[in-house]
Amino acid sequence: KAGVTQTPRYLIKTRGQQVTLSCSPISGHRSVSWYQQTPGQGLQFLFEYFSETQRNKGNFPGRFSGRQFSNSRSEMNVSTLELGDSALYLCASSLGRDSPLHFGNGTRLTVT
Amino acid sequence: GNSVTQMEGPVTLSEEAFLTINCTYTATGYPSLFWYVQYPGEGLQLLLKATKADDKGSNKGFEATYRKETTSFHLEKGSVQVSDSAVYFCALSPYGGATNKLIFGTGTLLAVQP
Repeated sequence: KAGVTQTPRYLIKTRGQQVTLSCSPISGHRSVSWYQQTPGQGLQFLFEYFSETQRNKGNFPGRFSGRQFSNSRSEMNVSTLELGDSALYLCASSLGRDSPLHFGNGTRLTVT
Repeated sequence: GNSVTQMEGPVTLSEEAFLTINCTYTATGYPSLFWYVQYPGEGLQLLLKATKADDKGSNKGFEATYRKETTSFHLEKGSVQVSDSAVYFCALSPYGGATNKLIFGTGTLLAVQP
């Protein structure tokens, strides 16, 4: 069974630009969550989608947004990039509540 | 609020040594508790979990017991291997909250030397 796939693995963007990251969950998983990992703040929850609906949201500015498609694939978008957005962005999928999270290998975003 | 505190790293051990990584939490109600492991260049993998007081999670020789009286979930392994070198994260899922919104500790780097 294929794991969680995140594309691209690496991204380099300039301040002020926007970026879209993609996540393909494990087949059959309907829940997709996004996390930001930085050396300073650690792992922080961004948002969770289930059946195309945002079910929960972390404490991030509105520049961070996401969506989920009918096939459960998810994208997250960051607009007007700032240097502080440089991070590893992790996607995780699960069958639903009370099911283990399966993480992808992440997309490393560098903002210059 | 909900939070997780785990011991600072790095933890450096020789092969076959005993491992303990301390984790304590603050939460209302009865959270579920997890240990995740992250190998270099990879995402997180669930190592073990416990969903109620006195539960013991175990996997690959690692164990952790949910202690409500001390609000702790310490990770232990009797004999570590070089291949256990990784970053270990303690996490909780708040009771009644969305399970997939995990609160993570800062992570503890474990380096095992041959």
